[in-house]
Amino acid sequence: KQEVTQIPAALSVPEGENLVLNCSFTDSAIYNLQWFRQDPGKGLTSLLLIQSSQREQTSGRLNASLDKSSGRSTLYIAASQPGDSATYLCAVRRLVNYGQNFVFGPGTRLSVLP
Amino acid sequence: GAGVSQSPRYKVAKRGQDVALRCDPISGHVSLFWYQQALGQGPEFLTYFQNEAQLDKSGLPSDRFFAERPEGSVSTLKIQRTQQEDSAVYLCASSSDRVLVNEQFFGPGTRLTVL
Repeated sequence: KQEVTQIPAALSVPEGENLVLNCSFTDSAIYNLQWFRQDPGKGLTSLLLIQSSQREQTSGRLNASLDKSSGRSTLYIAASQPGDSATYLCAVRRLVNYGQNFVFGPGTRLSVLP
Repeated sequence: GAGVSQSPRYKVAKRGQDVALRCDPISGHVSLFWYQQALGQGPEFLTYFQNEAQLDKSGLPSDRFFAERPEGSVSTLKIQRTQQEDSAVYLCASSSDRVLVNEQFFGPGTRLTVL
């Protein structure tokens, strides 16, 4: 069974710092990996999608990397801002069947202090 | 609208009541997913539709949970005889493709509280 973990569970940083969020998964047979942001009481907003054949994706201040063989992904946030405060979730999509199609990690709660 | 919408946004039910949660996916999206998110946890898969066909319901926690998408667009998740452990946020997501390589777009969720 695919299991996804995220470290740290929570993170508090001063504004302007660069930071890294980690995601690990146990089964490397994935189709792709997606990073999401969730604000309190809101749904999930997609940030970056990395296909299994890719090593990284970038969007603005965000950069996500994928090392499928080691079962790891990182989300790098440059020059953090208070507006980045949210929970960040990673999810892996498996090829095998629909029931295991999208497995989420528990998330990292990020607070960026002004 | 341009995004996935869900209604109601909040639902309070007494234990034993039946509830129905609605999801309007992005127009034209083939794939539709339901997830359950407990407080402080990531979403967990419940069921998946491709058009009107429910291809996977392996995540439904009990036979009290039932989902349908009769015309391949709007979907309803029904929970019968609600229990306190059903309290969670129920998220709906849609995706444009059948082969499941594209992004999933999520709705805002329905927060269900069972008293």
